[in-house]
Amino acid sequence: EVVLTQSPATLSLSPGERATLSCRASQSVSSYLAWYQQKPGQAPRLLIYDASNRATGIAARFSGSGSGTDFTLTISSLEPEDFAVYYCQHRSNWPLSFGGGTKVEIK
Amino acid sequence: QLQLQESGPGLVRPSETLSLTCTVSGDSISRSRYYWAWVRQSPGKGLEWIGSVYYSGTAYYNPSLKSRVTISVDTSKNQFSLKLNSVTAADTAMYYCARPSQQLVAGAFDCWGQGTLVTVSS
Repeated sequence: EVVLTQSPATLSLSPGERATLSCRASQSVSSYLAWYQQKPGQAPRLLIYDASNRATGIAARFSGSGSGTDFTLTISSLEPEDFAVYYCQHRSNWPLSFGGGTKVEIK
Repeated sequence: QLQLQESGPGLVRPSETLSLTCTVSGDSISRSRYYWAWVRQSPGKGLEWIGSVYYSGTAYYNPSLKSRVTISVDTSKNQFSLKLNSVTAADTAMYYCARPSQQLVAGAFDCWGQGTLVTVSS
């Protein structure tokens, strides 16, 4: 089983700042890593799939990178609507798993 | 437009079986080749993948739940279902059904239901 560890648990930033979120896998997941955004009371929304591909309709300020065991989600300039919780998820093999999440909060 | 809708009891007694159904509209489970999934989220906690099922009935489960969970598909109703037996308070969660963006493989989930809250309590 792949264990995904996200860091930091909380990121306190101001609008306009750059956010860098990390996801580390316990074993290689190749490029089969996705990122989601979740706001209170809503279902998760897919942002990035296969490490670096933006999902349909996702703003260009969201970008993903990495392969193997280390991955990064970058938000180039935080908009007010970007303050939320972010999760990574692998699909390299069964069973699937999610990371524990990073909360991006307003500083 | 693809839509997923969860349905089922919002309250389940401890030791009983939790049963939920996801109704799919805008796509055909039998004609598409997706692994349809259940994901849950305990209050204030993170996301937990429960399992995924293929149109043929082949299913994969989270090892931590495998002994208690069954996910099945009913192509005639365009639905897939979750059964979780011997529930405890730890199974209280928002339950989501979801579809991945890629066919034929375990995928990243680009379509989610709105979720249904299930509380386990006597």
